[in-house]
Amino acid sequence: GEDVEQSLFLSVREGDSSVINCTYTDSSSTYLYWYKQEPGAGLQLLTYIFSNMDMKQDQRLTVLLNKKDKHLSLRIADTQTGDSAIYFCAENQAGTALIFGKGTTLSVSS
Amino acid sequence: GAVVSQHPSRVICKSGTSVKIECRSLDFQATTMFWYRQFPKKSLMLMATSNEGSKATYEQGVEKDKFLINHASLTLSTLTVTSAHPEDSSFYICSARDSGGRTGELFFGEGSRLTVL
Repeated sequence: GEDVEQSLFLSVREGDSSVINCTYTDSSSTYLYWYKQEPGAGLQLLTYIFSNMDMKQDQRLTVLLNKKDKHLSLRIADTQTGDSAIYFCAENQAGTALIFGKGTTLSVSS
Repeated sequence: GAVVSQHPSRVICKSGTSVKIECRSLDFQATTMFWYRQFPKKSLMLMATSNEGSKATYEQGVEKDKFLINHASLTLSTLTVTSAHPEDSSFYICSARDSGGRTGELFFGEGSRLTVL
C-alpha cells in the first residue's frame, strides 16, 4: 500500500532555516501536503502542491517536489520558536483520504 | 477559509459507556468526511470514510460495530465509540472535503481527545 516516510526529529536554532523531508511511494499522488500540529491541537494546513509542480513558495515556506524521486521537502526560513510543532507530510489523489507520514517534531531553540 | 468544527474537544468517560463525537462543516457542504485516529506520538490513521446518506466505508482492522459512523446531512457526521474501553483513548480527528471546491482540499477539525477511565 501507499507509504509516506519522514524523519522523526529536527532541532534548529532560532533564525536558522529548517528543512523537513518526506518521501512517498504512490506514484499516482495528485496532491502533496504539509500540515502543522501544535501540542493538543488539531491539524493546520500549511501548504500544498500539485504533483505537476516543482516548487511553491508562500512567505517563509518553500515546498520542493521531486516527482521522479518521490521526495517532498518543506523549508521554513527564519525559523521562530512559534514554529515548534509536529509537521506532517501527506498525499492523496483528488477526493480521497490523505495518507500521512508519522510526523517530524521540530524543536526551535532560542 | 473553510471551517470544520468538532465537538466535544475533550471528553472523559467511564469504561463501558458510549461517546458521540460530532464533526460539522460550517460553511460548505461535504458529501464525504473522513475520520482519523491519532495515537500518542504517532501518525494519523484513517478509520473510515463517511458518505452522506450511505454507509461508511471502514478501513481494515477498524471495528464498524465499535465505531459507529452516521453522516445524515451534508454538514454533519458523527462518530460514536460504543462500549468504550481504556484502549479507545485517543485523539480523533475528522476532515471534510468541500463538495463544491475545485481542488478537493480537505479541511480538518481541531480534534476530540477521548479519555476512557
